Amino acid sequence: EVQLVESGGGLVQPGKSLRLSCTASGFTFDDFAMHWVRQTPGKGLEWVSGSSWNSGSIGYADSVKGRFTISRDNAKNSLYLQMNSLRAEDTALYFCAKDMYSSSSGPIDHWGQGTLVTVSS
Amino acid sequence: EIVMTQSPATLSVSPGERATLSCRASQGVSNNLAWYQQKPGQAPRLLIYTASTRATGIPARFSGSRSGTEFTLTISSLQSQDFAVYYCQQYNNWPLWTFGQGTKVEIK
Repeated sequence: EVQLVESGGGLVQPGKSLRLSCTASGFTFDDFAMHWVRQTPGKGLEWVSGSSWNSGSIGYADSVKGRFTISRDNAKNSLYLQMNSLRAEDTALYFCAKDMYSSSSGPIDHWGQGTLVTVSS
Repeated sequence: EIVMTQSPATLSVSPGERATLSCRASQGVSNNLAWYQQKPGQAPRLLIYTASTRATGIPARFSGSRSGTEFTLTISSLQSQDFAVYYCQQYNNWPLWTFGQGTKVEIK
């Protein structure tokens, strides 16, 4: 059974940093691309970032480009999202998600339960 | 950015009836369109991909279709467990994937 468990969320002040982690199990992690997707009540679902199986193809939404960095450690079956210069509008539930394929071609076929990030002073 | 527009925002349907949900892309996305179901407090679940292929374990009452840039999710006979929010997503334009705003299917 595919399991994706996120951690690292919490309350952080504007301008500060936070690092999210996702631990995967139940599948061969380095065979698949991985993504981060966030959800807010007002804006719905927003794809944030994705990485191909070997980090050779990485992409970001315009809203986070230059501030967020995705990375993965295939030896640890883990995906990360380093979030810098956080803003109030980054407040959301962040999901770790598995791609159906290795090359970030989509779609997403499994989701974690999410970790909540709140950016507020 | 490709804008995905879903309609209606809310659909009121009686159990056993047919539900038809629409999703329009602002430009062509080929067949790279997925549908997800989300229930309160849960993560989204993949229902349909490549516009019309059911994901593993998804019942046959769920079907997807495409006409140009218009996509449709049809639930042939609504069951109690189908009342949820449904999202479409295009994954044609890497790395700028986009979701629709969702359609809530509620009990009439």
